[in-house]
Amino acid sequence: ETGVTQTPRHLVMGMTNKKSLKCEQHLGHNAMYWYKQSAKKPLELMFVYSLEERVENNSVPSRFSPECPNSSHLFLHLHTLQPEDSALYLCASSQAAISGSPTHTQYFGPGTRLTVL
Amino acid sequence: TQLLEQSPQFLSIQEGENLTVYCNSSSVFSSLQWYRQEPGEGPVLLVTVVTGGEVKKLKRLTFQFGDARKDSSLHITAAQPGDTGLYLCAGALYNQGGKLIFGQGTELSVKP
Repeated sequence: ETGVTQTPRHLVMGMTNKKSLKCEQHLGHNAMYWYKQSAKKPLELMFVYSLEERVENNSVPSRFSPECPNSSHLFLHLHTLQPEDSALYLCASSQAAISGSPTHTQYFGPGTRLTVL
Repeated sequence: TQLLEQSPQFLSIQEGENLTVYCNSSSVFSSLQWYRQEPGEGPVLLVTVVTGGEVKKLKRLTFQFGDARKDSSLHITAAQPGDTGLYLCAGALYNQGGKLIFGQGTELSVKP
C-alpha cells in the first residue's frame, strides 16, 4: 500500500449506531488530519494530530471522537450521529517540522462516504 | 474569518479551449496548494507554490502565485476531457501550524 488509505470507503449507519473510520498513512509523515466535505461547501477541518498529540479541535461536536494511537494511524469514532453529518470524510497527512508544527503540503486519502439514516 | 475566494465555481468548455481558475484572499499565505478531485475520491495534490511571483508548469497546467502571496491562478491550455474534475486551492496561513484554508472549488467539465 502506498500513500494514504481509508476504510471503509462507504458507510451507511443509523443514528443510534456506533462505527469507526480508519486512516493509515504510508508516507512516513507524523501529522494527520480529519476533514469533512459536504456538497457545495469548502472542506472543513475537524481535527489535527501532530506527533500523536491533538493540536486542533475545530469546534467539532462530541459525537465525533478522534484517536491517534501512533503516527501512521488515525481513527474517527462515530456515535449517535445526525442526518446532517452525512458527508465525505477525508483523512490527510503531512510532515511535522522539528518543532512539532505540521508543514503545509497535505496528502489526502480517498475518503469515506458516510450516510446517516 | 480567513476566506479564500475561488472562481468560477462552475466551468463547462469544449475540448481544446483554454481556461483560468482564480483564488483570491485578503490573507497572506506562506504557501498555496492546488488539488484536483474526482467524484467519490480524495483530492490529489497538483502543485505547491511557495515564493511570491512563482510560476510552475505541469504539462498543460500553469500555476502562478501572486507577488503579494494573497492570490493564485491555474491556467489550463488545450483542455482535454481527462481534465474534468473539481479543482481546489488551499492556502497555508503563517503561524497556524500547517492549517490550510480551502476555496470552494471549481467544477470543470471538458466536453469532447
